[in-house]
Amino acid sequence: NAGVTQTPKFQVLKTGQSMTLQCAQDMNHEYMSWYRQDPGMGLRLIHYSVGAGITDQGEVPNGYNVSRSTTEDFPLRLLSAAPSQTSVYFCASRGSGGDYEQYFGPGTRLTVT
Amino acid sequence: AQSVTQLDSQVPVFEEAPVELRCNYSSSVSVYLFWYVQYPNQGLQLLLKYLSGSTLVKGINGFEAEFNKSQTSFHLRKPSVHISDTAEYFCAVNRVYNQGGKLIFGQGTELSVKP
Repeated sequence: NAGVTQTPKFQVLKTGQSMTLQCAQDMNHEYMSWYRQDPGMGLRLIHYSVGAGITDQGEVPNGYNVSRSTTEDFPLRLLSAAPSQTSVYFCASRGSGGDYEQYFGPGTRLTVT
Repeated sequence: AQSVTQLDSQVPVFEEAPVELRCNYSSSVSVYLFWYVQYPNQGLQLLLKYLSGSTLVKGINGFEAEFNKSQTSFHLRKPSVHISDTAEYFCAVNRVYNQGGKLIFGQGTELSVKP
């Protein structure tokens, strides 16, 4: 099992550019989430999905788009990058069982200039 | 709504000393509680969790935490730390019966273990 994988590991964008952060999991988990991590603020939920075809907004969704066409993949799209989106992005997945453990990917460090 | 407060942003400690990382939460509904650890340049790894049952929870790497419902706290402890415990630690809550795995995180505590 590879667990949760994210690509790319690092990315530099110019303001206004768009890009997609990829996330995949091979554990057949129903639930997937995107978080951003900023110094002194912990992790904040951007978007989440409870299954293929179902997504919803988290705490900080503005400027981001998601879709979930398969159980395995949950890409995060930045529509028009802004310096405020400079952050480390983590994807996570969880099964629908009762242990509530979320498994995190290694993260993508994004810089917007 | 739920919120999580980690009372110390940085905790320096000498090797083999005990450590306590403090976490308080507020919620109008029952929650599950978690501690995650993040080693430098890595993702988050679950240390331990409280879902129900005994309020003293043991996790990996010798860590334990105690759920105190009356004080809405979930402090993390280790009786003797190692250099390898240097990392950032996050407390998090998840509303009971919440679908979608919506974790609410605290701000994080940087544990720095010195020789």
